[in-house]
This record gives sequence, C-alpha cells and structure tokens, in this order.
Amino acid sequence: AQKITQTQPGMFVQEKEAVTLDCTYDTSDQSYGLFWYKQPSSGEMIFLIYQGSYDEQNATEGRYSLNFQKARKSANLVISASQLGDSAMYFCAMREGGFQGAQKLVFGQGTRLTINP
Amino acid sequence: GAGVSQTPSNKVTEKGKYVELRCDPISGHTALYWYRQSLGQGPEFLIYFQGTGAADDSGLPNDRFFAVRPEGSVSTLKIQRTERGDSAVYLCASSPSGVAGELFFGEGSRLTVL
Repeated sequence: AQKITQTQPGMFVQEKEAVTLDCTYDTSDQSYGLFWYKQPSSGEMIFLIYQGSYDEQNATEGRYSLNFQKARKSANLVISASQLGDSAMYFCAMREGGFQGAQKLVFGQGTRLTINP
Repeated sequence: GAGVSQTPSNKVTEKGKYVELRCDPISGHTALYWYRQSLGQGPEFLIYFQGTGAADDSGLPNDRFFAVRPEGSVSTLKIQRTERGDSAVYLCASSPSGVAGELFFGEGSRLTVL
C-alpha cells in the first residue's frame, strides 16, 4: 500500500490564482512529520513547508500553507497568488516516528504544476 | 560552500563498471542521507548516516550498493557492476541531528548506465 498518495499528475493554473495540491498519507504511527518539496527543472529539491503530527495549527511559510486534516490523513499544499516561477514538480513526503530519529522520508509520485501567464 | 555539494553532476558509464558518487554535506550536519530518484518518480530512501556509522541501510537495493562516511562529513556512494536499471538521479541530503524539519538536498548526481 502506498504511504503517500498524490492523485494529481498535472495541474494547470493561471498566474495570480491560488492552487491546492492534494496529498493523502497512510500511517499507524502517532508521531510523524509531513513535508512538501518543490523540484524545478534544475533537479534540486527545495523545502517548502513542514507539519508535525502534534502541531495544532496549520503550518504557513509565506505564500505556502499546509491544510492539515489529521482525521482524514490529508496534508494538502496551498499556494496563494501563484507566480510563473512556481512551475515545477511538487512532492509530498512523510517521516514516520519522532524527529529524534532519522529523517527517513517516503515521497509521493509528485504533481507537475504549470502556471500560465 | 553553503549547501550540499554532489559530484559528479553527470556520470555516464557502461554496464558492469564501478561508479563512485560523492556528497559533501552542510558543515556541522551530523545526519546524511542518500536517496535515488528514477525518472517520473519521487525520491526513494537508500541509506542514512549518523556521524560515521550507517544507522539505517534498509533502502539499499542489493549488495552491489555500498556507502561510506569515514570521517563523519563527506560520504561516497559506491555501485559495483552497474546495471542499466541503476540509471537514476542520486540525491544526497543532510540535516542537523535531532531537529525536526527540513532535509537539505543537493542537486543530485545523474547516473546513466549504457
């Protein structure tokens, strides 16, 4: 069974619109972490946002926010006011267990986001 | 440099050859990770170092793959008797130990086995 599921292979959005990238996860751990990474064509994985399973508030980082719905095991990324430079692959990932151990991440298949001018 | 550095950025080799990929993590980061990303897929975990020791090598696909980190800084991923299926981007990441949050990734080494 897949631990991270990203159901949108590709998304096309007009510049300046908000976009939501879907991510669902599967774990029996009580302590875990959820990550979103951006991978532009250069190949580097760029960290966007992190949510711990015990964090009560949704994480936000500038234009990025994580819509964390624990009961639904959902961790959607919301990008507000999209820009042309947001065009890239986006990966959702999960770390099972507390952070004192390894940051051993399981990644989803990714969503390719294209921002149209 | 400030970030994670990986060399070579591109490596083309023939089936059956030996390959070494190098990773220089962010200074002071005790944890180092290797991931492999095949075309069209998300990265997959290979091995994790805490200091000099391999704390978790459960992701290494077989005994042709080996990694070392002898002084707790630079790491080398070694692949023996390469096969065409080993073609992928090999990503290295580092993080401070015991801190939740991001892994810092390098730009990867693209390996092509002909």
